[in-house]
Amino acid sequence: GAGVSQTPSNKVTEKGKYVELRCDPISGHTALYWYRQSLGQGPEFLIYFQGTGAADDSGLPNDRFFAVRPEGSVSTLKIQRTERGDSAVYLCASSLQGAWNTEAFFGQGTRLTVV
Amino acid sequence: KNQVEQSPQSLIILEGKNCTLQCNYTVSPFSNLRWYKQDTGRGPVSLTIMTFSENTKSNGRYTATLDADTKQSSLHITASQLSDSASYICVVSGGSQGNLIFGKGTKLSVKP
Repeated sequence: GAGVSQTPSNKVTEKGKYVELRCDPISGHTALYWYRQSLGQGPEFLIYFQGTGAADDSGLPNDRFFAVRPEGSVSTLKIQRTERGDSAVYLCASSLQGAWNTEAFFGQGTRLTVV
Repeated sequence: KNQVEQSPQSLIILEGKNCTLQCNYTVSPFSNLRWYKQDTGRGPVSLTIMTFSENTKSNGRYTATLDADTKQSSLHITASQLSDSASYICVVSGGSQGNLIFGKGTKLSVKP
Protein backbone atom coordinates (compact mmCIF):
# COMPACT_ATOMS: atom_id res chain seq x y z
CA GLY A 1 0.00 0.00 0.00
CA ALA A 2 0.93 3.65 -0.19
CA GLY A 3 1.59 3.96 3.52
CA VAL A 4 1.06 2.36 6.90
CA SER A 5 -2.65 2.07 7.57
CA GLN A 6 -4.15 1.72 11.03
CA THR A 7 -7.75 0.90 11.85
CA PRO A 8 -9.85 2.04 13.48
CA SER A 9 -8.68 5.62 13.72
CA ASN A 10 -10.66 6.04 16.93
CA LYS A 11 -11.96 3.46 19.37
CA VAL A 12 -14.02 4.08 22.49
CA THR A 13 -14.56 1.10 24.73
CA GLU A 14 -15.81 0.39 28.21
CA LYS A 15 -13.47 -0.60 31.00
CA GLY A 16 -13.04 -4.36 31.09
CA LYS A 17 -13.76 -4.92 27.41
CA TYR A 18 -11.48 -6.51 24.81
CA VAL A 19 -10.16 -4.51 21.86
CA GLU A 20 -8.18 -5.24 18.72
CA LEU A 21 -6.17 -2.64 16.84
CA ARG A 22 -5.05 -3.36 13.31
CA CYS A 23 -1.95 -2.29 11.42
CA ASP A 24 -1.40 -2.72 7.67
CA PRO A 25 2.29 -2.07 6.97
CA ILE A 26 3.81 -0.94 3.71
CA SER A 27 3.92 -3.90 1.34
CA GLY A 28 7.22 -5.75 1.57
CA HIS A 29 8.28 -4.27 4.89
CA THR A 30 9.50 -7.06 7.13
CA ALA A 31 9.89 -5.03 10.32
CA LEU A 32 6.82 -3.81 12.19
CA TYR A 33 6.66 -1.83 15.42
CA TRP A 34 3.92 -0.95 17.87
CA TYR A 35 4.19 2.13 20.09
CA ARG A 36 1.91 3.77 22.60
CA GLN A 37 1.79 7.55 22.94
CA SER A 38 0.17 9.30 25.86
CA LEU A 39 -0.82 12.95 25.65
CA GLY A 40 2.22 15.22 25.59
CA GLN A 41 4.66 12.31 25.58
CA GLY A 42 6.90 10.69 22.99
CA PRO A 43 5.96 7.25 21.68
CA GLU A 44 6.73 4.36 24.03
CA PHE A 45 7.95 1.06 22.57
CA LEU A 46 5.65 -1.94 22.93
CA ILE A 47 6.73 -4.68 20.54
CA TYR A 48 8.80 -5.26 17.41
CA PHE A 49 8.20 -7.94 14.76
CA GLN A 50 10.71 -9.19 12.25
CA GLY A 51 8.59 -11.17 9.83
CA THR A 52 6.06 -13.29 11.71
CA GLY A 53 7.94 -13.47 14.97
CA ALA A 54 8.16 -11.00 17.82
CA ALA A 55 11.84 -10.09 17.98
CA ASP A 56 11.35 -7.93 21.07
CA ASP A 57 8.21 -7.73 23.21
CA SER A 58 9.88 -6.18 26.21
CA GLY A 59 7.74 -3.06 26.00
CA LEU A 60 4.40 -4.78 26.54
CA PRO A 61 3.28 -3.48 29.93
CA ASN A 62 1.60 -6.67 31.16
CA ASP A 63 -0.05 -9.87 30.02
CA ARG A 64 -3.25 -8.06 29.03
CA PHE A 65 -1.39 -6.89 25.94
CA PHE A 66 -0.64 -9.24 23.08
CA ALA A 67 0.24 -8.77 19.42
CA VAL A 68 0.33 -11.11 16.44
CA ARG A 69 1.54 -10.99 12.88
CA PRO A 70 0.64 -14.45 11.56
CA GLU A 71 1.57 -13.97 7.91
CA GLY A 72 4.32 -11.43 8.29
CA SER A 73 2.22 -8.56 7.02
CA VAL A 74 -0.84 -7.30 8.92
CA SER A 75 -0.47 -7.09 12.67
CA THR A 76 -3.09 -6.96 15.39
CA LEU A 77 -2.54 -5.54 18.85
CA LYS A 78 -4.93 -7.10 21.33
CA ILE A 79 -5.78 -5.68 24.73
CA GLN A 80 -7.80 -7.70 27.20
CA ARG A 81 -9.75 -6.35 30.18
CA THR A 82 -9.05 -2.77 29.19
CA GLU A 83 -8.34 -0.21 31.89
CA ARG A 84 -8.68 3.57 31.80
CA GLY A 85 -4.89 3.82 31.90
CA ASP A 86 -4.74 2.08 28.53
CA SER A 87 -6.19 5.20 26.90
CA ALA A 88 -3.60 6.51 24.46
CA VAL A 89 -2.74 6.73 20.79
CA TYR A 90 -1.35 3.44 19.52
CA LEU A 91 1.11 3.94 16.68
CA CYS A 92 2.36 1.35 14.23
CA ALA A 93 5.47 1.69 12.09
CA SER A 94 7.09 -0.47 9.44
CA SER A 95 10.46 -0.60 7.74
CA LEU A 96 12.02 -2.57 4.93
CA GLN A 97 14.43 -4.45 7.17
CA GLY A 98 15.33 -3.74 10.74
CA ALA A 99 14.78 -0.14 11.77
CA TRP A 100 18.43 0.22 12.71
CA ASN A 101 19.43 0.72 9.10
CA THR A 102 16.37 1.82 7.17
CA GLU A 103 13.63 4.38 7.24
CA ALA A 104 10.65 3.63 9.49
CA PHE A 105 7.26 4.89 8.39
CA PHE A 106 4.45 5.52 10.83
CA GLY A 107 0.71 5.21 10.52
CA GLN A 108 -1.58 7.90 11.86
CA GLY A 109 -2.39 5.88 14.92
CA THR A 110 -5.47 4.57 16.67
CA ARG A 111 -6.77 6.74 19.46
CA LEU A 112 -8.08 4.39 22.15
CA THR A 113 -10.32 5.79 24.87
CA VAL A 114 -11.38 3.54 27.73
CA VAL A 115 -14.36 4.91 29.64
CA LYS B 1 19.47 2.38 30.76
CA ASN B 2 18.88 3.49 27.16
CA GLN B 3 17.41 6.99 27.25
CA VAL B 4 16.87 9.96 24.98
CA GLU B 5 16.48 13.38 26.58
CA GLN B 6 15.26 16.45 24.70
CA SER B 7 15.26 20.13 25.49
CA PRO B 8 13.52 22.44 25.69
CA GLN B 9 10.21 20.75 26.42
CA SER B 10 8.40 23.51 24.56
CA LEU B 11 9.37 26.57 22.56
CA ILE B 12 7.53 29.55 21.11
CA ILE B 13 9.13 31.61 18.36
CA LEU B 14 8.04 34.24 15.87
CA GLU B 15 7.63 33.38 12.22
CA GLY B 16 10.84 33.90 10.28
CA LYS B 17 13.11 33.31 13.26
CA ASN B 18 15.57 30.45 13.67
CA CYS B 19 15.64 27.96 16.50
CA THR B 20 17.67 25.00 17.72
CA LEU B 21 16.38 21.91 19.50
CA GLN B 22 18.64 19.67 21.57
CA CYS B 23 18.86 15.92 22.07
CA ASN B 24 21.14 13.95 24.42
CA TYR B 25 21.15 10.19 24.44
CA THR B 26 22.56 7.24 26.33
CA VAL B 27 21.96 4.34 23.97
CA SER B 28 24.37 1.50 23.48
CA PRO B 29 25.15 0.13 21.04
CA PHE B 30 24.31 3.11 18.86
CA SER B 31 23.19 2.65 15.28
CA ASN B 32 21.63 5.87 14.09
CA LEU B 33 19.78 8.97 15.22
CA ARG B 34 16.64 10.34 13.65
CA TRP B 35 14.60 13.48 13.97
CA TYR B 36 10.87 13.16 13.41
CA LYS B 37 8.20 15.84 13.05
CA GLN B 38 4.82 15.00 14.49
CA ASP B 39 1.85 17.18 13.73
CA THR B 40 -1.02 17.06 16.19
CA GLY B 41 -3.09 13.94 15.63
CA ARG B 42 -0.70 12.49 13.08
CA GLY B 43 2.03 9.88 13.08
CA PRO B 44 5.67 10.98 13.17
CA VAL B 45 7.33 11.78 9.85
CA SER B 46 11.05 11.40 9.40
CA LEU B 47 13.17 14.52 8.77
CA THR B 48 16.70 13.10 8.91
CA ILE B 49 18.59 9.91 9.72
CA MET B 50 22.23 10.12 10.78
CA THR B 51 24.74 7.36 11.46
CA PHE B 52 27.66 7.76 13.84
CA SER B 53 29.97 8.83 11.01
CA GLU B 54 27.79 11.74 9.90
CA ASN B 55 28.16 15.12 11.59
CA THR B 56 25.61 17.17 9.70
CA LYS B 57 22.65 16.46 7.50
CA SER B 58 20.21 18.91 5.97
CA ASN B 59 16.68 18.59 4.70
CA GLY B 60 15.51 21.93 3.35
CA ARG B 61 15.29 24.38 6.24
CA TYR B 62 16.10 21.62 8.73
CA THR B 63 19.73 20.89 9.64
CA ALA B 64 20.63 18.15 12.08
CA THR B 65 24.02 17.76 13.74
CA LEU B 66 25.42 14.78 15.58
CA ASP B 67 28.37 14.49 17.95
CA ALA B 68 28.76 10.78 18.61
CA ASP B 69 31.52 11.40 21.16
CA THR B 70 29.39 13.55 23.44
CA LYS B 71 26.19 11.75 22.40
CA GLN B 72 24.45 14.96 21.50
CA SER B 73 22.39 16.03 18.52
CA SER B 74 20.67 19.24 17.54
CA LEU B 75 18.02 20.18 15.02
CA HIS B 76 18.26 23.69 13.64
CA ILE B 77 15.26 25.21 11.88
CA THR B 78 15.94 28.20 9.68
CA ALA B 79 13.45 30.92 8.77
CA SER B 80 10.59 29.25 10.62
CA GLN B 81 7.13 29.04 9.12
CA LEU B 82 3.74 28.64 10.75
CA SER B 83 3.61 25.09 9.39
CA ASP B 84 6.68 24.22 11.45
CA SER B 85 4.46 24.19 14.53
CA ALA B 86 4.62 20.59 15.68
CA SER B 87 6.40 18.26 18.07
CA TYR B 88 9.94 17.35 17.10
CA ILE B 89 11.05 14.00 18.36
CA CYS B 90 14.61 12.70 18.60
CA VAL B 91 14.82 8.93 18.08
CA VAL B 92 17.87 6.78 18.56
CA SER B 93 18.16 3.34 17.03
CA GLY B 94 20.28 0.81 18.82
CA GLY B 95 20.12 -1.13 22.01
CA SER B 96 20.05 -4.87 22.17
CA GLN B 97 17.38 -5.44 19.55
CA GLY B 98 17.85 -2.38 17.37
CA ASN B 99 14.50 -0.91 18.25
CA LEU B 100 13.75 2.79 18.18
CA ILE B 101 14.10 4.72 21.44
CA PHE B 102 12.09 7.93 21.49
CA GLY B 103 12.62 11.16 23.32
CA LYS B 104 9.57 12.95 24.72
CA GLY B 105 9.79 15.62 22.05
CA THR B 106 9.98 19.39 21.90
CA LYS B 107 6.72 21.14 21.15
CA LEU B 108 7.41 24.06 18.83
CA SER B 109 4.88 26.82 18.28
CA VAL B 110 5.55 29.36 15.54
CA LYS B 111 3.53 32.56 15.95
CA PRO B 112 2.81 35.14 13.24
